[in-house]
Amino acid sequence: GDSVTQMEGPVTLSEEAFLTINCTYTATGYPSLFWYVQYPGEGLQLLLKATKADDKGSNKGFEATYRKETTSFHLEKGSVQVSDSAVYFCALSDKGGGADGLTFGKGTHLIIQP
Amino acid sequence: DAGITQSPRHKVTETGTPVTLRCHQTENHRYMYWYRQDPGHGLRLIHYSYGVKDTDKGEVSDGYSVSRSKTEDFLLTLESATSSQTSVYFCATNRDGNNQPQHFGDGTRLSIL
Repeated sequence: GDSVTQMEGPVTLSEEAFLTINCTYTATGYPSLFWYVQYPGEGLQLLLKATKADDKGSNKGFEATYRKETTSFHLEKGSVQVSDSAVYFCALSDKGGGADGLTFGKGTHLIIQP
Repeated sequence: DAGITQSPRHKVTETGTPVTLRCHQTENHRYMYWYRQDPGHGLRLIHYSYGVKDTDKGEVSDGYSVSRSKTEDFLLTLESATSSQTSVYFCATNRDGNNQPQHFGDGTRLSIL
């Protein structure tokens, strides 16, 4: 079946540091890939997405490129802020035709220190 | 975000009691989902719906049932709650299906003692 693997953390960085959160996946088809962010006490919010190979999703300074050859969708940001502290989830949806939900990684807890 | 309201937001109950969680959406999205979130597991799909009265099982459906009698409401029922069902439950919707992002509610924190 489909699966998503990401580092769980916590990942602790200083403000203005460069961020990379690794995400790799296995899927039978050609999935769409997503990054979601969850702030304390809230639901998940879509951060960015990519629907085909070599697509780059971007939002709020975050970027991720769909790499089919390495089955990866790593999240990057050039200069993190304290307000980026949150849990980040990588997810995929299989393009099998049935809308049977997303497969999530376990989430990466990111802590940004001033 | 997509007008999703989950109720209740918090609930504490005892083992063996029935529990129903409600998800209400105002965006007329066709697809609705129930997930549970547990430490070390991320989010796992419990059940989903692809239309009124059309539902199917997800990865962790044992001990749960769902109903969707109207487009806007998706109910999750624990017929006889167990301590292993203590979790945070999230409802999600999307308009067209697989390739579209899902929109999430703020969650229900359920504790079963």
